[in-house]
Amino acid sequence: SQKIEQNSEALNIQEGKTATLTCNYTNYSPAYLQWYRQDPGRGPVFLLLIRENEKEKRKERLKVTFDTTLKQSLFHITASQPADSATYLCALESNDYKLSFGAGTTVTVRA
Amino acid sequence: GAGVSQSPSNKVTEKGKDVELRCDPISGHTALYWYRQSLGQGLEFLIYFQGNSAPDKSGLPSDRFSAERTGGSVSTLTIQRTQQEDSAVYLCASSLRQHQETQYFGPGTRLLVL
Repeated sequence: SQKIEQNSEALNIQEGKTATLTCNYTNYSPAYLQWYRQDPGRGPVFLLLIRENEKEKRKERLKVTFDTTLKQSLFHITASQPADSATYLCALESNDYKLSFGAGTTVTVRA
Repeated sequence: GAGVSQSPSNKVTEKGKDVELRCDPISGHTALYWYRQSLGQGLEFLIYFQGNSAPDKSGLPSDRFSAERTGGSVSTLTIQRTQQEDSAVYLCASSLRQHQETQYFGPGTRLLVL
């Protein structure tokens, strides 16, 4: 069966450090992978999309890698700030256009 | 411009009652999605509308769940004879077109069935 797995435990890091989140998937052949941010009481907000032929994508302090051989994406928040505290979701689109989401990893950045 | 809006933001109901949840997508977006998010869980796909095509209802958990999209815009998700396990956050999203890669989410409706 298809499965998307993210870091099961919450991530607590010190301000200024880099947070690294993992998204592993099985039985998908995604053309791309997305990362969303979700704050408490809010809907997810799109952050980044990386295509299967891209190894790395950056947006400001965010960096995403995509390894289709390992079936894994890594999401990095560099120079983290307390405002980065949120839950981060990875999502893959299946062939029938539905987005499948991981359960998310909660990040807390301590000042 | 205005984002996706949903109403009500919170709904408390008694077991066995029917509820209606509303979603106003971004103007001009032809695709509309409903998801359900339970505490600590990922988003569960429920239903998808695209233009005038027949909706994809493959994610609806039971026949107590139904949804409509009128005039290609506003959508209503109806849950009949609610059960306690229906308690969750119901999220609506829209995107510009089918296979459009970015979905824009509303704030969700928090449903509590007592």
